[in-house]
Parts: sequence; structure tokens; C-alpha cells
Amino acid sequence: GQSLEQPSEVTAVEGAIVQINCTYQTSGFYGLSWYQQHDGGAPTFLSYNALDGLEETGRFSSFLSRSDSYGYLLLQELQMKDSASYFCAVPSGAGSYQLTFGKGTKLSVIP
Amino acid sequence: ETGVTQSPTHLIKTRGQQVTLRCSSQSGHNTVSWYQQALGQGPQFIFQYYREEENGRGNFPPRFSGLQFPNYSSELNVNALELDDSALYLCASRESTGTCEKLFFGSGTQLSVL
Repeated sequence: GQSLEQPSEVTAVEGAIVQINCTYQTSGFYGLSWYQQHDGGAPTFLSYNALDGLEETGRFSSFLSRSDSYGYLLLQELQMKDSASYFCAVPSGAGSYQLTFGKGTKLSVIP
Repeated sequence: ETGVTQSPTHLIKTRGQQVTLRCSSQSGHNTVSWYQQALGQGPQFIFQYYREEENGRGNFPPRFSGLQFPNYSSELNVNALELDDSALYLCASRESTGTCEKLFFGSGTQLSVL
């Protein structure tokens, strides 16, 4: 089976930087994805890491350490619109169609 | 805008009833999967369809079934509804050459079972 752990809630100030951690336990590893979901909205793909290191996409970056079974999502220059839930997810196999999601981290950005 | 649309947006049913949820995905996305998301939880995989055939299933009972049509639309059917079926049901598609790391989700159908 597979399981992912991430903090349930994080609060940060507008303009600041926040890091959302994710640790995982999988029978095999095929990459770590991150999704954003606003209340009442669709989960939206943010990033994907298959190899160790940092992937940067604008204000968002994602990091992976396979040896530590750990990854994080880094959000810089926080904006109010970044208030949402963030999910890490792993596929069940190579090229698999099935994603296992964490329970999500609710990020609140305050003025 | 993901190009994946779901209907209806909200639905109220009573225990024991049957429900059909619908999804329309982007042209060229011939793989569609359905997820159940309970309040405060991450999405949970129900099943996937590829070229109108179910080719993977999560830990859901047979009363959860689906169909996929040639026009990139699909349905999720749930029979004998139970109270615990109350959740947001999400449809997701991916490009034919894509892998699961990037799914395109619809906004979901919020199902309430009373």
C-alpha cells in the first residue's frame, strides 16, 4: 500500500514564503505530484518530481529527496489567492493511472 | 480552465436510490478516471476507463460502475446509495501520451445522501 503524510493546516503572511512538507511510504516510487484545490474548485496540477532536486515554476517550487521519502512544495511571494488546499500525490506504478493523494494541507494566507 | 466539465454540480438523493454523474473531457483525452473526495480528505481513486473499457479499480464495491463513450464523455453510476457516499465526485482525464502525474480534473459533483 501507499500512504502520504502532510500537515493539515498552515498559516502564512502575504508576501512571505511557505513550505508544505510531504513524506510518503510506497512499495515502489514513480514520482511525486502536487495539486492545488480552492474551496469548491477542481484540483489543479502544480508540479511533478521524478528525480531528486528542485523544480521551479514561477513562484512555486517543488523539491524531492527519494532517499528520505520526502518532498516539499515551496510557495514564494504569497498572495491572498494562494489560500487553498495543497495535496501531494504518488502514482501506484510506473505509468500508472491511479494516484494516491495525501489528506491535504489547508493554507491560509493572511494580510 | 481544465476543459473537463461535470454535471450536475450538486445533487441530493436519499438512501437506497441510484445516481448517475456525468463528465465530458477534452478531445484527445481518451483516458478518464473518477475519484471520490470526502470532506477534509484527499481524492480517492474509484476506477479508470480507457477506450471505453474499465482498466483499473480502487477499493470500491461493485455498486460503483461506469461507462465511457466515444465522444470523450463518461458516467459514474452508484446504486443503492448509502449515507457514506456523500462526497465530492471528481472526474479526471489525461492526454493519450501523458502519464498520471498530470491529470486534468473537473470541478466535481457534490452528492448529498440523506
